[in-house]
Amino acid sequence: KNEVEQSPQNLTAQEGEFITINCSYSVGISALHWLQQHPGGGIVSLFMLSSGKKKHGRLIATINIQEKHSSLHITASHPRDSAVYICAARGGGADGLTFGKGTHLIIQP
Amino acid sequence: DVKVTQSSRYLVKRTGEKVFLECVQDMDHENMFWYRQDPGLGLRLIYFSYDVKMKEKGDIPEGYSVSREKKERFSLILESASTNQTSMYLCASTLGTGVEGYTFGSGTRLTVV
Repeated sequence: KNEVEQSPQNLTAQEGEFITINCSYSVGISALHWLQQHPGGGIVSLFMLSSGKKKHGRLIATINIQEKHSSLHITASHPRDSAVYICAARGGGADGLTFGKGTHLIIQP
Repeated sequence: DVKVTQSSRYLVKRTGEKVFLECVQDMDHENMFWYRQDPGLGLRLIYFSYDVKMKEKGDIPEGYSVSREKKERFSLILESASTNQTSMYLCASTLGTGVEGYTFGSGTRLTVV
């Protein structure tokens, strides 16, 4: 069974700062997902990665398959980025996803 | 856009009640999932289904059952609700090819008193 570790668990930063959230996993995967959860519970899928890098607006996600590591970066952070960010590793089975415990990000104005 | 709709946002039920949580998706997805989310534990898989009338146990199926009579609908059933089933419940779906993303519902926050 895959183990997915995220760091940091909690992160408070000032508006405008560059944010990095890390995710490591223990066994090979077919894809790595980054998810965002705002207060109230709904989860939005940000990225699905199997190699390299993806960018969407101020969000960038990278993955290093050899090192079993992925990072989510937020440039020019804003208070509306405050949320829980969750990485999830997808294996080969039908259920697929093993979740990290999430990073609680607070961006202060 | 694919939508995954969970029927209730908040529910309060009494211990021992039978509880139904409904999830409907509108994009003909093969795979559907039920997760629960608890502080410090993250999301954990309860049950999933890869086809109509098919179901598979996830990591924590005890105390739960599921039903998938139609492709678009996946129901989670708590046969006799207990206080330790107080949690956020999230439904998700995916096409099933292995190369697409997951779509999550908005969640149902269930409190068992």
